[in-house]
Amino acid sequence: QSALTQPRSVSGSPGQSVTISCTGTSSDVGGYNYVSWYQQHPGKAPKLMIYDVSKRPSGVPDRFSGSKSGNTASLTISGLQAEDEADYYCSSYAGSWVFGGGTKLTVL
Amino acid sequence: EVQLVQSGAEVKKPGESLKISCKGSGYSFTSYWIGWVRQMPGKGLEWMGIIYPGDSDTRYSPSFQGQVTISADKSISTAYLQWSSLKASDTAMYYCARLAVAGHHFDYWGQGTLVTVSS
Repeated sequence: QSALTQPRSVSGSPGQSVTISCTGTSSDVGGYNYVSWYQQHPGKAPKLMIYDVSKRPSGVPDRFSGSKSGNTASLTISGLQAEDEADYYCSSYAGSWVFGGGTKLTVL
Repeated sequence: EVQLVQSGAEVKKPGESLKISCKGSGYSFTSYWIGWVRQMPGKGLEWMGIIYPGDSDTRYSPSFQGQVTISADKSISTAYLQWSSLKASDTAMYYCARLAVAGHHFDYWGQGTLVTVSS
């Protein structure tokens, strides 16, 4: 399996919305509703933010939302806050797990 | 409280062996799969493999099959990742993570173990 494709970086100002895309194939992202998103601050372990495309674990703000269309999944963060600045990784299950290359979110 | 606590940082020489650990607590260790994820310096996450401590059923990513061994000791709620002969390219942070029950995502992560391989 090849890594999923994410933009290397995105940015936005506080209060704005940003969307991070995650493109795979019909064998992973497009074939299963098992896309998850993880947030990683520098020097920290990843943290689950979204699972099964659009579900939020308890404790994750509803500013974070997920969606999918065809072979591309998306993570949208609305009402950007300074603490959202981090790396974000998508992942898809397709018999095994594959991650995206990661996207660095900068809050301007 | 669910916790995965990993063993400390390691500095090794090429050719040496190594076994790092991940101890689970706050949940039924034998009922959840534990996965291992590699993060090379400045790079992204890579899934290495996964084990079900209840019966030691283990699956590997093709990229890591034969390169590492994943095991578990359910009597002490601990999963392991081991190398028989380290290479400089094994230098990375390694995370263990719990697979959500009946799920396909990793809901809890260990703090990571930094492995440095250098002559």
